[in-house]
Amino acid sequence: AQSVTQPDIHITVSEGASLELRCNYSYGATPYLFWYVQSPGQGLQLLLKYFSGDTLVQGIKGFEAEFKRSQSSFNLRKPSVHWSDAAEYFCAVGTYGNKLVFGAGTILRVKS
Amino acid sequence: GAVVSQHPSWVICKSGTSVKIECRSLDFQATTMFWYRQFPKQSLMLMATSNEGSKATYEQGVEKDKFLINHASLTLSTLTVTSAHPEDSSFYICSANVAGEADTQYFGPGTRLTVL
Repeated sequence: AQSVTQPDIHITVSEGASLELRCNYSYGATPYLFWYVQSPGQGLQLLLKYFSGDTLVQGIKGFEAEFKRSQSSFNLRKPSVHWSDAAEYFCAVGTYGNKLVFGAGTILRVKS
Repeated sequence: GAVVSQHPSWVICKSGTSVKIECRSLDFQATTMFWYRQFPKQSLMLMATSNEGSKATYEQGVEKDKFLINHASLTLSTLTVTSAHPEDSSFYICSANVAGEADTQYFGPGTRLTVL
């Protein structure tokens, strides 16, 4: 069965520091992978997605993610975090019927 | 980008009443709409998938008579929580696929339901 693991429940970084959020997936075929961000009490906003091709994917708000098939990973990165990036981040894998399976989420806190 | 709206954004109701939540795709026609439920500090759980003019497909464990889904047009899906009880209190989020971008879901802002 498809699954997504986000091993870090909470991460705290200082403003201006770099960020990496981890995501590992389990899926039998070539995965469709997504990162979404959710601010408190809000819906999810798509940051980026990977379907095929270049394994380094650029997204909105300065985020990027790298697909590594050998590690079954799709980690999200940002070189310099801003206070407005504080939110919860969800990694997801697309499955049959265009359904999504989400990870448990990682809450990002930004220290000033 | 594709915009999805939900109405209402929050609702409080008495136990035993029914509540309807609307999900609209504002600037595109949605091939498929999805309904999720999110408990505090938890991830999203898919409740059902709906296509316009068809019966919704419910995930295992979701009561179809409790959570009625109607997908009357390519831009509107509704979720009705019937005979709501306090345990139905949750954050309900819908999403939609854009035609030609079927593998990507765009999410609404969510509806906070509180049942007293």
